Amino acid sequence: AQKITQTQPGMFVQEKEAVTLDCTYDTSDPSYGLFWYKQPSSGEMIFLIYQGSYDQQNATEGRYSLNFQKARKSANLVISASQLGDSAMYFCAMREGLPGGGADGLTFGKGTHLIIQP
Amino acid sequence: DAGVIQSPRHEVTEMGQEVTLRCKPISGHDYLFWYRQTMMRGLELLIYFNNNVPIDDSGMPEDRFSAKMPNASFSTLKIQPSEPRDSAVYFCASTPGRSYGYTFGSGTRLTVV
Repeated sequence: AQKITQTQPGMFVQEKEAVTLDCTYDTSDPSYGLFWYKQPSSGEMIFLIYQGSYDQQNATEGRYSLNFQKARKSANLVISASQLGDSAMYFCAMREGLPGGGADGLTFGKGTHLIIQP
Repeated sequence: DAGVIQSPRHEVTEMGQEVTLRCKPISGHDYLFWYRQTMMRGLELLIYFNNNVPIDDSGMPEDRFSAKMPNASFSTLKIQPSEPRDSAVYFCASTPGRSYGYTFGSGTRLTVV
């Protein structure tokens, strides 16, 4: 079974509209972290936002917010007031817990290709 | 901070040749990860280090792949011999710990002909 599922291969959105990119995850670990990355056409991976499984509030970073619904195992990325520069691939990723609290590698979803139209 | 630095940015090599990819993590980041990105398989974790020690290399596809981290500021990923199916973008990433973002380098685009 896939650990990270992104069901939207591609999305077209009008500039200035809000965008929600879907992400569901699968883990039996009570301690995990969820991440979103942006990959523009230039290829670099840009960290956007992080949500820990024990965090009580949804994470926010500027125009980015993470709609974390733990019971549904959902971690959707919301981009408010979209801009042309938001056009890129967006990846959801999960880091599961390790004994002793160490970091582990991220497992990535297949990504969503977001295109913002003027 | 200069971020995670990878070299070279692009590498074109002939099948059978040895390829060495290099990475300098962010100073103070105790974890270093090597990923491979292809259209077919997406982003895959190959190996990662904690304090220069390899922790999990289960993602390394074959014995042709090897990785080292001789000190806190340098890591290499070597493919010997290279094959066309190794063509991909290879990313290095580092993080200070589990609750922080993982910072990626710009990647090395490898083409094996």
